[in-house]
Amino acid sequence: AQSVTQLGSHVSVSEGALVLLRCNYSSSVPPYLFWYVQYPNQGLQLLLKYTTGATLVKGINGFEAEFKKSETSFHLTKPSAHMSDAAEYFCAVSDQGRTSYDKVIFGPGTSLSVIP
Amino acid sequence: GAGVSQSPSNKVTEKGKDVELRCDPISGHTALYWYRQSLGQGLEFLIYFQGNSAPDKSGLPSDRFSAERTGGSVSTLTIQRTQQEDSAVYLCASRLGDLSHNEQFFGPGTRLTVL
Repeated sequence: AQSVTQLGSHVSVSEGALVLLRCNYSSSVPPYLFWYVQYPNQGLQLLLKYTTGATLVKGINGFEAEFKKSETSFHLTKPSAHMSDAAEYFCAVSDQGRTSYDKVIFGPGTSLSVIP
Repeated sequence: GAGVSQSPSNKVTEKGKDVELRCDPISGHTALYWYRQSLGQGLEFLIYFQGNSAPDKSGLPSDRFSAERTGGSVSTLTIQRTQQEDSAVYLCASRLGDLSHNEQFFGPGTRLTVL
Protein backbone atom coordinates (compact mmCIF):
# COMPACT_ATOMS: atom_id res chain seq x y z
CA ALA A 1 0.00 0.00 0.00
CA GLN A 2 1.13 3.50 -0.72
CA SER A 3 2.17 5.75 2.11
CA VAL A 4 3.47 9.27 2.48
CA THR A 5 5.69 10.58 5.23
CA GLN A 6 6.50 14.18 5.97
CA LEU A 7 9.47 14.69 8.23
CA GLY A 8 8.70 17.36 10.77
CA SER A 9 5.15 18.11 11.80
CA HIS A 10 6.19 21.70 12.44
CA VAL A 11 8.88 23.80 10.76
CA SER A 12 9.86 27.35 11.67
CA VAL A 13 11.94 29.58 9.44
CA SER A 14 12.89 33.23 9.52
CA GLU A 15 11.46 35.58 6.96
CA GLY A 16 13.77 35.53 3.94
CA ALA A 17 15.29 32.17 4.80
CA LEU A 18 15.13 28.99 2.76
CA VAL A 19 12.04 26.84 3.17
CA LEU A 20 12.52 23.07 2.94
CA LEU A 21 9.62 20.72 3.61
CA ARG A 22 10.35 17.04 3.25
CA CYS A 23 8.19 14.36 1.67
CA ASN A 24 8.95 10.70 1.07
CA TYR A 25 6.63 8.16 -0.45
CA SER A 26 6.45 4.43 -0.87
CA SER A 27 5.10 3.15 -4.16
CA SER A 28 5.87 0.22 -6.40
CA VAL A 29 5.63 2.43 -9.48
CA PRO A 30 6.49 6.08 -10.01
CA PRO A 31 3.42 7.91 -8.82
CA TYR A 32 1.84 11.26 -9.42
CA LEU A 33 3.02 13.57 -6.65
CA PHE A 34 1.40 16.72 -5.30
CA TRP A 35 1.93 19.45 -2.79
CA TYR A 36 -1.09 21.23 -1.38
CA VAL A 37 -1.26 24.22 0.93
CA GLN A 38 -3.99 24.93 3.45
CA TYR A 39 -4.40 28.37 4.94
CA PRO A 40 -6.31 28.69 8.21
CA ASN A 41 -10.01 27.90 7.91
CA GLN A 42 -9.75 27.18 4.21
CA GLY A 43 -9.70 24.13 1.97
CA LEU A 44 -6.59 22.80 0.29
CA GLN A 45 -5.05 24.49 -2.74
CA LEU A 46 -2.71 22.85 -5.20
CA LEU A 47 0.83 24.28 -5.11
CA LEU A 48 2.41 22.04 -7.73
CA LYS A 49 2.36 18.53 -9.14
CA TYR A 50 4.66 16.03 -10.79
CA THR A 51 3.26 13.67 -13.39
CA THR A 52 5.91 12.96 -16.04
CA GLY A 53 8.82 14.74 -17.67
CA ALA A 54 11.01 17.26 -15.93
CA THR A 55 11.72 16.22 -12.38
CA LEU A 56 12.02 19.79 -11.11
CA VAL A 57 8.56 21.23 -10.90
CA LYS A 58 7.74 24.87 -10.33
CA GLY A 59 4.53 25.92 -8.68
CA ILE A 60 2.73 28.96 -7.45
CA ASN A 61 4.05 31.50 -4.96
CA GLY A 62 7.69 30.73 -5.78
CA PHE A 63 7.62 27.13 -4.58
CA GLU A 64 9.27 24.27 -6.39
CA ALA A 65 9.82 20.57 -5.78
CA GLU A 66 12.11 17.94 -7.20
CA PHE A 67 11.12 14.34 -7.83
CA LYS A 68 14.00 12.01 -6.97
CA LYS A 69 13.09 8.45 -7.85
CA SER A 70 16.21 6.96 -6.27
CA GLU A 71 15.36 8.59 -2.96
CA THR A 72 11.56 8.25 -3.32
CA SER A 73 11.37 11.88 -2.34
CA PHE A 74 9.52 14.99 -3.43
CA HIS A 75 10.77 17.76 -1.16
CA LEU A 76 9.26 21.24 -1.39
CA THR A 77 11.49 24.32 -1.38
CA LYS A 78 11.29 28.07 -1.62
CA PRO A 79 14.41 30.23 -1.65
CA SER A 80 13.06 33.03 0.53
CA ALA A 81 10.21 32.66 3.00
CA HIS A 82 7.50 35.28 3.24
CA MET A 83 5.16 35.85 6.13
CA SER A 84 2.25 34.88 3.90
CA ASP A 85 3.75 31.38 3.48
CA ALA A 86 2.69 30.44 7.01
CA ALA A 87 0.25 27.58 6.49
CA GLU A 88 -0.16 23.80 6.58
CA TYR A 89 1.48 21.90 3.73
CA PHE A 90 0.44 18.45 2.58
CA CYS A 91 2.28 16.07 0.29
CA ALA A 92 0.11 13.59 -1.60
CA VAL A 93 0.58 10.64 -3.95
CA SER A 94 -1.56 8.69 -6.39
CA ASP A 95 -0.82 5.86 -8.78
CA GLN A 96 0.44 7.00 -12.14
CA GLY A 97 -1.75 6.16 -15.04
CA ARG A 98 -2.64 2.63 -14.08
CA THR A 99 -6.28 3.41 -13.83
CA SER A 100 -8.56 6.37 -13.55
CA TYR A 101 -9.69 4.87 -10.27
CA ASP A 102 -7.24 6.04 -7.67
CA LYS A 103 -7.26 6.95 -4.05
CA VAL A 104 -5.05 9.92 -3.31
CA ILE A 105 -3.02 9.36 -0.16
CA PHE A 106 -2.05 12.41 1.88
CA GLY A 107 0.82 12.83 4.25
CA PRO A 108 0.17 14.03 7.81
CA GLY A 109 1.07 17.61 6.95
CA THR A 110 3.75 20.07 8.01
CA SER A 111 2.85 23.31 9.69
CA LEU A 112 5.13 26.12 8.52
CA SER A 113 5.70 29.16 10.71
CA VAL A 114 7.55 32.21 9.45
CA ILE A 115 9.29 34.35 12.05
CA PRO A 116 9.64 38.05 11.30
CA GLY B 1 -19.84 27.98 -9.81
CA ALA B 2 -16.18 28.00 -10.53
CA GLY B 3 -15.10 25.86 -7.61
CA VAL B 4 -16.19 23.13 -5.24
CA SER B 5 -18.79 24.34 -2.77
CA GLN B 6 -19.86 22.78 0.50
CA SER B 7 -22.75 23.47 2.80
CA PRO B 8 -23.24 24.28 5.54
CA SER B 9 -19.92 25.92 6.36
CA ASN B 10 -20.51 25.27 10.05
CA LYS B 11 -22.79 22.81 11.79
CA VAL B 12 -23.34 22.44 15.50
CA THR B 13 -25.41 19.49 16.61
CA GLU B 14 -26.21 17.52 19.69
CA LYS B 15 -24.87 14.08 20.34
CA GLY B 16 -27.16 11.44 18.87
CA LYS B 17 -28.62 13.62 16.12
CA ASP B 18 -28.18 12.92 12.41
CA VAL B 19 -26.44 15.40 10.11
CA GLU B 20 -26.17 15.80 6.35
CA LEU B 21 -23.26 17.53 4.67
CA ARG B 22 -23.47 18.59 1.06
CA CYS B 23 -20.85 18.90 -1.65
CA ASP B 24 -21.28 20.47 -5.08
CA PRO B 25 -18.31 19.50 -7.24
CA ILE B 26 -16.96 21.36 -10.22
CA SER B 27 -19.16 20.76 -13.24
CA GLY B 28 -17.86 17.92 -15.37
CA HIS B 29 -15.66 16.41 -12.68
CA THR B 30 -16.34 12.70 -12.51
CA ALA B 31 -14.38 11.90 -9.37
CA LEU B 32 -15.46 13.05 -5.93
CA TYR B 33 -13.79 12.46 -2.57
CA TRP B 34 -14.73 13.02 1.06
CA TYR B 35 -12.07 13.51 3.73
CA ARG B 36 -12.17 14.19 7.44
CA GLN B 37 -9.67 16.50 9.09
CA SER B 38 -9.60 16.49 12.85
CA LEU B 39 -8.03 19.38 14.76
CA GLY B 40 -4.32 19.53 13.95
CA GLN B 41 -4.44 16.31 11.98
CA GLY B 42 -3.95 15.34 8.38
CA LEU B 43 -6.61 14.25 5.95
CA GLU B 44 -8.39 11.00 6.62
CA PHE B 45 -9.88 9.46 3.49
CA LEU B 46 -13.55 8.55 3.85
CA ILE B 47 -15.08 7.69 0.49
CA TYR B 48 -14.45 8.07 -3.24
CA PHE B 49 -16.86 8.18 -6.18
CA GLN B 50 -15.72 7.76 -9.76
CA GLY B 51 -18.31 8.05 -12.50
CA ASN B 52 -20.78 5.19 -12.43
CA SER B 53 -18.44 2.79 -10.66
CA ALA B 54 -19.21 1.45 -7.23
CA PRO B 55 -17.84 3.88 -4.65
CA ASP B 56 -14.76 3.06 -2.58
CA LYS B 57 -16.13 3.14 0.97
CA SER B 58 -13.04 1.70 2.59
CA GLY B 59 -12.37 4.81 4.66
CA LEU B 60 -15.74 5.15 6.35
CA PRO B 61 -15.03 4.75 10.09
CA SER B 62 -18.31 3.10 11.04
CA ASP B 63 -21.72 2.16 9.70
CA ARG B 64 -23.04 5.45 11.05
CA PHE B 65 -21.36 7.10 8.07
CA SER B 66 -22.78 6.91 4.56
CA ALA B 67 -22.59 8.92 1.38
CA GLU B 68 -24.34 9.10 -1.91
CA ARG B 69 -23.84 10.92 -5.14
CA THR B 70 -26.91 11.69 -7.17
CA GLY B 71 -26.74 12.00 -10.94
CA GLY B 72 -22.97 11.94 -10.88
CA SER B 73 -22.87 15.42 -9.41
CA VAL B 74 -23.94 16.53 -5.93
CA SER B 75 -22.88 14.35 -3.01
CA THR B 76 -24.27 14.09 0.49
CA LEU B 77 -22.36 12.70 3.46
CA THR B 78 -24.67 11.53 6.24
CA ILE B 79 -23.61 10.85 9.79
CA GLN B 80 -26.20 9.12 11.94
CA ARG B 81 -26.33 9.24 15.72
CA THR B 82 -23.43 11.67 15.89
CA GLN B 83 -20.78 11.27 18.56
CA GLN B 84 -18.41 13.86 19.97
CA GLU B 85 -15.49 12.19 18.21
CA ASP B 86 -17.17 13.00 14.90
CA SER B 87 -16.33 16.66 15.46
CA ALA B 88 -13.99 17.66 12.65
CA VAL B 89 -13.79 19.53 9.37
CA TYR B 90 -15.22 17.49 6.51
CA LEU B 91 -13.61 18.29 3.18
CA CYS B 92 -14.89 17.44 -0.26
CA ALA B 93 -12.76 17.38 -3.38
CA SER B 94 -13.48 16.75 -7.03
CA ARG B 95 -11.26 15.76 -9.90
CA LEU B 96 -11.71 15.76 -13.63
CA GLY B 97 -11.03 12.06 -13.77
CA ASP B 98 -8.89 12.31 -16.85
CA LEU B 99 -5.52 10.68 -16.29
CA SER B 100 -3.66 13.80 -17.34
CA HIS B 101 -5.51 16.03 -14.91
CA ASN B 102 -5.14 14.26 -11.64
CA GLU B 103 -5.11 17.15 -9.19
CA GLN B 104 -8.00 17.47 -6.77
CA PHE B 105 -9.90 20.67 -6.21
CA PHE B 106 -11.06 21.14 -2.64
CA GLY B 107 -14.05 22.84 -1.17
CA PRO B 108 -13.76 25.07 1.92
CA GLY B 109 -15.04 22.35 4.20
CA THR B 110 -17.84 21.94 6.71
CA ARG B 111 -16.86 22.35 10.34
CA LEU B 112 -18.94 19.92 12.40
CA THR B 113 -19.18 20.32 16.15
CA VAL B 114 -20.98 17.67 18.17
CA LEU B 115 -21.89 18.81 21.66
